[in-house]
Amino acid sequence: QSALTQPASVSGSPGQSITISCTGTSSDVGSYNLVSWYQQYPGKAPKLIVFEVNERPSGVSNRISGSKTGNTASLTISGLQAEDEADYYCCSYAGSRTLLVFGGGTRLTVL
Amino acid sequence: EVQLVESGGGLVQPGGSLRLTCAVSGFNVSNNYMSWVRQAPGKGLEWVSFIYSAGSTYYTDSVKGRFTISRDYSKNTLFLQMDGLRTEDTAIYYCARLDDTAAVYFEYWGQGTLVTVSS
Repeated sequence: QSALTQPASVSGSPGQSITISCTGTSSDVGSYNLVSWYQQYPGKAPKLIVFEVNERPSGVSNRISGSKTGNTASLTISGLQAEDEADYYCCSYAGSRTLLVFGGGTRLTVL
Repeated sequence: EVQLVESGGGLVQPGGSLRLTCAVSGFNVSNNYMSWVRQAPGKGLEWVSFIYSAGSTYYTDSVKGRFTISRDYSKNTLFLQMDGLRTEDTAIYYCARLDDTAAVYFEYWGQGTLVTVSS
């Protein structure tokens, strides 16, 4: 069982927006603005797409955005495209003993 | 250009050992926060071990006492020595560089190497 809770799957049609939630606790997501998100295509390595809750690395589409309220972080992808179909993982800093915790991952399907 | 290339995976019997290697280019492995992250077949991501630029090392509870992370400055390479392997260690193992500010997100990833522990 993963430390952070994500929905197993979400889906949307091209052009729509979707949001993936990532629920933790006051010991991780709720205490630090240090949530990151990763995109992973089948058979490929994960890729960083959001860090520090809402920052995007250079080259990542501005259709991707992150946010956080309380113990829940969210990843929003607007203007869905076929290329967005992938698995998405959240990750949060959880203090000096646990360090980092991942969510279980969410499979995004573009209908 | 930053590149991380893992090797050393394979099939090993329970109780056996493997040494994973991550050849790095584009930055100095000894000046950065480095890690190993694994993904069991069909499962999510799990961090395995970190080595900080100052040399501190960290391990997830399930591998403490069995795995050892290290680096070679001259070869610009990261290693993961895995002893006492268990079937539950079967996974793709990724080498990843953490951010250089606080080591709180995985900035660059290798392509991974598959470790299968089975009799």
